[in-house]
Amino acid sequence: ETGVTQSPTHLIKTRGQQVTLRCSSQSGHNTVSWYQQALGQGPQFIFQYYREEENGRGNFPPRFSGLQFPNYSSELNVNALELDDSALYLCASSLSNGNEQFFGPGTRLTVL
Amino acid sequence: QQQVKQSPQSLIVQKGGISIINCAYENTAFDYFPWYQQFPGKGPALLIAIRPDVSEKKEGRFTISFNKSAKQFSLHIMDSQPGDSATYFCAASGARNTDKLIFGTGTRLQVFP
Repeated sequence: ETGVTQSPTHLIKTRGQQVTLRCSSQSGHNTVSWYQQALGQGPQFIFQYYREEENGRGNFPPRFSGLQFPNYSSELNVNALELDDSALYLCASSLSNGNEQFFGPGTRLTVL
Repeated sequence: QQQVKQSPQSLIVQKGGISIINCAYENTAFDYFPWYQQFPGKGPALLIAIRPDVSEKKEGRFTISFNKSAKQFSLHIMDSQPGDSATYFCAASGARNTDKLIFGTGTRLQVFP
């Protein structure tokens, strides 16, 4: 069984640029959630995807957007990057009939 | 009402001791309470979880105690080991499987030999 994988591991961007982060869910998991974890903080929910549609969103602006593909993998896109977007971005996968969410290793985004 | 409050912020325990981390919540709609362990540079790993219909759940050295009336739950790590040194997060979510996880602020545990 393959766990949740994310790419890239690290990324450095400058303010105003756009970034795409990728996530492959754990085998058999059809629901993907994205979280932002600032340094020294707990993860904050960005949004969740199920059946290729957004299925819940946290308190993040529209420049944070996502996609889910038929194979359940997902992308997180962030436009017009700001310095405060620097964080660890975590992807978690789960089954649609279960609460357990399993996290990937994250992508460390640094915005200069 | 969506917050999960976690304490202490940091904890130092001697090897073999008991580590106790506490969390409190306000939203009575929360129905699922997991604990995650996170090592530096890694994603959170699910340790153990509980639902409000039981007051305690034990898995190996890890135990969750749950007090529904007080809206509090805690993680006990028995016989703490240096390898347990990590940041621990409590979380809560609603009954629906699509509900988001609300995380506490984390507790940095250091276990010294």
